[in-house]
Amino acid sequence: GDKVKQSPSALSLQEGTNSALRCNFSIAATTVQWFLQNPRGSLINLFYLVPGTKENGRLKSTFNSKESYSTLHIRDAQLEDSGTYFCAAEATSSGQKLVFGQGTILKVYL
Amino acid sequence: EAAVTQSPRSKVAVTGGKVTLSCHQTNNHDYMYWYRQDTGHGLRLIHYSYVADSTEKGDIPDGYKASRPSQENFSLILELASLSQTAVYFCASSDGDYYEQYFGPGTRLTVL
Repeated sequence: GDKVKQSPSALSLQEGTNSALRCNFSIAATTVQWFLQNPRGSLINLFYLVPGTKENGRLKSTFNSKESYSTLHIRDAQLEDSGTYFCAAEATSSGQKLVFGQGTILKVYL
Repeated sequence: EAAVTQSPRSKVAVTGGKVTLSCHQTNNHDYMYWYRQDTGHGLRLIHYSYVADSTEKGDIPDGYKASRPSQENFSLILELASLSQTAVYFCASSDGDYYEQYFGPGTRLTVL
């Protein structure tokens, strides 16, 4: 099964609303990275997390290693937030190499 | 300035031909990685390298070779390109395990 499972697989948000994306891990993740793949295909680093919470502008992310999940909260969604969000985890079982989820496609509309 | 660059940005290759994808980083990082992304999916690790002149197999190394001639440069080589290797290829660098990875812009490879 998927070692890193993201939900939802796709999401539409009206501009100005809030939402949360989630990653569940079936591996013992030690660190988590969140990326946004923009419509041009580039991967933009959003967060690098050890267990805990980080915030950057309208984005906030939490990594709970004991319960094996991470969340990415988007506040006041904007059109430029559209794209595909990936989480990726490092784990001892993966040799500390990143294992990616399948992505959440986010579309923000007016 | 982009710290991880890739060339070419796109390429069309013929089945059975040789393809070389190049990656250059100015982050002064020891670790470099090659991933592939298939449409609608996340990235999967092909090869990586801890140090110049040494490469390691990732999760899906079959059909690919890698070369790390210097700290800054890491190449991915497809000796006999196949249709199934059509994908977008990303290079990344990091300071090591437990460090953030930084990605290049990707190379779109189409094998016909």
